[in-house]
Amino acid sequence: AQKVTQAQTEISVVEKEDVTLDCVYETRDTTYYLFWYKQPPSGELVFLIRRNSFDEQNEISGRYSWNFQKSTSSFNFTITASQVVDSAVYFCALSEASNTGTASKLTFGTGTRLQVTL
Amino acid sequence: DAGVTQSPTHLIKTRGQQVTLRCSPKSGHDTVSWYQQALGQGPQFIFQYYEEEERQRGNFPDRFSGHQFPNYSSELNVNALLLGDSALYLCASSLNMGVGNQPQHFGDGTRLSIL
Repeated sequence: AQKVTQAQTEISVVEKEDVTLDCVYETRDTTYYLFWYKQPPSGELVFLIRRNSFDEQNEISGRYSWNFQKSTSSFNFTITASQVVDSAVYFCALSEASNTGTASKLTFGTGTRLQVTL
Repeated sequence: DAGVTQSPTHLIKTRGQQVTLRCSPKSGHDTVSWYQQALGQGPQFIFQYYEEEERQRGNFPDRFSGHQFPNYSSELNVNALLLGDSALYLCASSLNMGVGNQPQHFGDGTRLSIL
């Protein structure tokens, strides 16, 4: 069975601080996908990144960066120079590889609430 | 380019009633998945529809059923509502490209409250 653990329930930082959100996953699959989603108060889950299990290269997108380490089953997310608009709940998710072309079900962690204050 | 739209936004029902939630996928998408998100929790997968058939199902009872229409829109039906069904119901759409695991795009959800 797949499992995603986000041990940090809530994090509070002051604007411009860097913050890292942790994600640890469990799966028996050799091929799988990892995702991060942002959920603002409106409720919509906003897709941030998808990474497959064969691509361990770290990725940077503006102030966002992701560190995928297969050896420790972790897929951590760092926001550099945080802003108030980054305040939201962030979810890490895992899915098995699809052999039919349809997106496989997502297994989510419990989320980390990030509060950025002035 | 319309994103995923869900209706209604909010709904209040009483125990034992039945409810239907609706979802229109993002333009160009053909696959719809439904998730239930209880307060303070991550979303839990209910089921997925593609080509008007249920393709995957999570650990939810038969009281939860669905349908997909030829225009790819979808409905989620819940019968014999229980207090524990109170949650945010999220619809996600994606495109079947034959290979890979395409990202799912989510709607704003329907908040269902059971009294």
